[in-house]
Amino acid sequence: AQSVTQLDSQVPVFEEAPVELRCNYSSSVSVYLFWYVQYPNQGLQLLLKYLSGSTLVESINGFEAEFNKSQTSFHLRKPSVHISDTAEYFCAVNYGGATNKLIFGTGTLLAVQP
Amino acid sequence: NAGVTQTPKFQVLKTGQSMTLQCAQDMNHEYMSWYRQDPGMGLRLIHYSVGAGITDQGEVPNGYNVSRSTTEDFPLRLLSAAPSQTSVYFCASSDRDGDGYTFGSGTRLTVV
Repeated sequence: AQSVTQLDSQVPVFEEAPVELRCNYSSSVSVYLFWYVQYPNQGLQLLLKYLSGSTLVESINGFEAEFNKSQTSFHLRKPSVHISDTAEYFCAVNYGGATNKLIFGTGTLLAVQP
Repeated sequence: NAGVTQTPKFQVLKTGQSMTLQCAQDMNHEYMSWYRQDPGMGLRLIHYSVGAGITDQGEVPNGYNVSRSTTEDFPLRLLSAAPSQTSVYFCASSDRDGDGYTFGSGTRLTVV
């Protein structure tokens, strides 16, 4: 079955510390991978995506994610977080085929503390 | 360029009432979908459509109906609202490649 797993429901971290948010997906031949961010009481914003090519993708605000096919993972990292990064982060996968369904993980709340 | 437009933004219903959540996109996207977001459960797919006249069920379709008479519009109908349908609903669209999804701003629905 197609699934996306975000094991950490909450990740507390101090400001300026590094953070990693984990995402694993069920194996498939080829996938498109996405990270979305949702700030409190707002909609979803695309943070970054992997479609093909370089396995390391970056966002404009310092986040990066690495596609690891052998481990079926797409973990999100940032070397130094800010208070403003406090939000919920969702990993999502398009397993392809005729339907283009986008399957989401359950989300990780990143809580940055001063 | 409006993207994906959802209406209304907020709605309160009484149990048993019916209503339609509207979703429209102006990008000529073939694929459209509806999700509901509940705390701790992420976004779960309700129904989706791969083109006008074609719809299918997602993960949590019970209690919801959809239709796709045009490429632009994909309304979600609640025939008899239940408190369990209290949620935030998001509509999304994508082109055929599925390499980028545009989301609406959401509808916060409360059923009392």
